[in-house]
Amino acid sequence: QQQVKQSPQSLIVQKGGISIINCAYENTAFDYFPWYQQFPGKGPALLIAIRPDVSEKKEGRFTISFNKSAKQFSLHIMDSQPGDSATYFCAATGLGARNAGNNRKLIWGLGTSLAVNP
Amino acid sequence: ETGVTQTPRHLVMGMTNKKSLKCEQHLGHNAMYWYKQSAKKPLELMFVYNFKEQTENNSVPSRFSPECPNSSHLFLHLHTLQPEDSALYLCASSQDSATWDTQYFGPGTRLTVL
Repeated sequence: QQQVKQSPQSLIVQKGGISIINCAYENTAFDYFPWYQQFPGKGPALLIAIRPDVSEKKEGRFTISFNKSAKQFSLHIMDSQPGDSATYFCAATGLGARNAGNNRKLIWGLGTSLAVNP
Repeated sequence: ETGVTQTPRHLVMGMTNKKSLKCEQHLGHNAMYWYKQSAKKPLELMFVYNFKEQTENNSVPSRFSPECPNSSHLFLHLHTLQPEDSALYLCASSQDSATWDTQYFGPGTRLTVL
């Protein structure tokens, strides 16, 4: 119930194309779904996040689509650029991810390595 | 830059060595975290400190010993590590660990245990 399943593991897209990364979760108590972007030699950085009261959130070329009934959410990168080449992690948290110390734990996907060819 | 710094960036140590990783955040946050990042595994939360108090130890072996002298500094003391401990160790901070706030990560320390 605590897993977040992310696919694909790796993705190659041509410049200008659309990159799509999917995540699925089990715990219906999750209520916050961030995507993090990690470049080589750097730590992950928050890219965009969504709460389940909306089905879509867009920031520039990045869009999260959220399907509450299917317990799935996805990241779409429009007009993908070589500078988008990085590893992308989805995550989830919520009341169901609290521990005994009451921290809200982020449950992470395994990551998707995106390469955008010029 | 994220405002979270980590030193050293790379560390090679033998199994009998003792070393320490340092993290400093300049964001005025109250919560700090240690994560382990290994290939083909999800990020593993190791320790959480909230207002300098340890609020989580995620079943981490005792050869890893955290220290949080104040809300801006976090250390991870290492001793008698195993080769399987080789990984990228990430520090992160957030405003508070009990509510949901964005975590800001440092660049990590790449640790190799020989």
